[in-house]
Amino acid sequence: DTGVSQDPRHKITKRGQNVTFRCDPISEHNRLYWYRQTLGQGPEFLTYFQNEAQLEKSRLLSDRFSAERPKGSFSTLEIQRTEQGDSAMYLCASSAGGLDYGYTFGSGTRLTVV
Amino acid sequence: ILNVEQSPQSLHVQEGDSTNFTCSFPSSNFYALHWYRWETAKSPEALFVMTLNGDEKKKGRISATLNTKEGYSYLYIKGSQPEDSATYLCALKRDDKIIFGKGTRLHILP
Repeated sequence: DTGVSQDPRHKITKRGQNVTFRCDPISEHNRLYWYRQTLGQGPEFLTYFQNEAQLEKSRLLSDRFSAERPKGSFSTLEIQRTEQGDSAMYLCASSAGGLDYGYTFGSGTRLTVV
Repeated sequence: ILNVEQSPQSLHVQEGDSTNFTCSFPSSNFYALHWYRWETAKSPEALFVMTLNGDEKKKGRISATLNTKEGYSYLYIKGSQPEDSATYLCALKRDDKIIFGKGTRLHILP
């Protein structure tokens, strides 16, 4: 297993377009998280899955954002009708759960909305 | 709103010097505190997960302490090297997720 993979690494899109990002977690990890990081801020929680179930969504996540994790494996994060304020680094992480386990992060997808 | 505070925001340290920085958090309902190192163009990397008051953990030249009663953790780097240049993030476990501070950006000067 090569860790958590995210695709694409970079995405430039025009305002109003839809974008979709993919995350492939570590296969043994049942928990998958999406975070967003903007300049000068720490990563902000967006949503998380345990297996295929989406268990929590942040109030930061408007109805333009949707995430899925079919079959409890990879996950996708879609942003519809992108806005300039959506420009950020989108990070995915996975975890085996439990108090003593850290998260394994991917390298992120850098989104720029022009 | 859960506030995880890190200080300083940014730090310049001469190569070979030791340094430390702070993470403060609400002391109530504590479960675990994470430290991550995030180098430019790489993934955030887990350094420590700390769960018990008085915990001290060490990984090479980096160590961390935890005081859950007063709500703070220190990260120490001994004999800084250029490869230590990164953003150091702490994160508090709350419910089934972790909440990050803004990080401390460490620059090591040659």
